[in-house]
Amino acid sequence: QKEVEQDPGPLSVPEGAIVSLNCTYSNSAFQYFMWYRQYSRKGPELLMYTYSSGNKEDGRFTAQVDKSSKYISLFIRDSQPSDSATYLCAFFSGGYNKLIFGAGTRLAVHP
Amino acid sequence: SAVISQKPSRDICQRGTSLTIQCQVDSQVTMMFWYRQQPGQSLTLIATANQGSEATYESGFVIDKFPISRPNLTFSTLTVSNMSPEDSSIYLCSVEADGGSEQYFGPGTRLTVT
Repeated sequence: QKEVEQDPGPLSVPEGAIVSLNCTYSNSAFQYFMWYRQYSRKGPELLMYTYSSGNKEDGRFTAQVDKSSKYISLFIRDSQPSDSATYLCAFFSGGYNKLIFGAGTRLAVHP
Repeated sequence: SAVISQKPSRDICQRGTSLTIQCQVDSQVTMMFWYRQQPGQSLTLIATANQGSEATYESGFVIDKFPISRPNLTFSTLTVSNMSPEDSSIYLCSVEADGGSEQYFGPGTRLTVT
């Protein structure tokens, strides 16, 4: 079993749609949960960061963590063409002292 | 968040040669990281570089192939040695903001080995 599972997509949605991106993980030691956005030919950009179960909202973005199910999600409301990018989930534990990334999901939002 | 630059942004190199990638940060940071992102794949950590000490390499990566320097708190280099086409990848540096859990990435260096 992989430590992190993320559907690579691609995911294509119309402008204005609600997007749901998901990752599952197997390591109970993960303490911090992140979402990065990576535009083509750019480095990853930290989008959301959380350390507890529940929801965290930032504008059109909501990060959700369910530690009991080992499942995290990123929701994008009112999606825009500028949201077209690859979204990577990432996990951190103090024991490993490094980030573990998912494979990334390619999202395309078309006008 | 820190502003990170990398040089070169891209390069095409011949098999058997070496390339040194530079990473510059606009503020002092304790930990810097080097990642590889192969085409269509996610990020894989190569090594962690702390100023004043030897870099710590992840399984599958060795110092002879990927020597790293960290001369001060704002700069690091990664050398890809004796390159083969399998080394064609994007190489990214990152810095930590909060004990390693929050990391910020540079724009990457796109390397093609022919």
